[in-house]
Amino acid sequence: GAVVSQHPSRVICKSGTSVKIECRSLDFQATTMFWYRQFPKQSLMLMATSNEGSKATYEQGVEKDKFLINHASLTLSTLTVTSAHPEDSSFYICSALGLYTDTQYFGPGTRLTVL
Amino acid sequence: KQEVTQIPAALSVPEGENLVLNCSFTDSAIYNLQWFRQDPGKGLTSLLLIQSSQREQTSGRLNASLDKSSGRSTLYIAASQPGDSATYLCAPGGNTDKLIFGTGTRLQVFP
Repeated sequence: GAVVSQHPSRVICKSGTSVKIECRSLDFQATTMFWYRQFPKQSLMLMATSNEGSKATYEQGVEKDKFLINHASLTLSTLTVTSAHPEDSSFYICSALGLYTDTQYFGPGTRLTVL
Repeated sequence: KQEVTQIPAALSVPEGENLVLNCSFTDSAIYNLQWFRQDPGKGLTSLLLIQSSQREQTSGRLNASLDKSSGRSTLYIAASQPGDSATYLCAPGGNTDKLIFGTGTRLQVFP
């Protein structure tokens, strides 16, 4: 089946630093990837839609200058949390949509802790 | 704006029971609906995808039904096992491929 990886799986950083999270589709091409955020005991909230070769589309209330998304190839999207603060601590999950499917395949998630 | 609600929020049952998890959504103009499983601290595993033109989908002990007009979907789990313990999420999808997730049902199946 389709596999999506995320790196790193866990990151701890100091307040004010920037953190980059990678999302890769390992065995299929994905023109569209999605980034979600999940707070403890809550559901996933869509942050942005990432399309290969174009600017990401952000959901209402998500700061595009704080959460930089780059989708430079059909197998890689990156999310950079700039100047991270403790309130950005969360579980970040990406998903990838294959070229000819309605199914989104999810990565294992990245746990971000900002001290 | 699509809103998705799942009932019950939590469920604890003995092994072997047949279970019903409910999902309701406010905007019936959906293209499909997916059910996912999430283990603690992990990503999501897709269980079933139902197209808007379909009434149900089955995979092993899982059966998902969809009543698009009434904004409801149900996930049936037959003969539950401890390994089924997880959070189950439903997510209707629209024409933008975006998924809006429900609040989830935390299931615990004890031996």
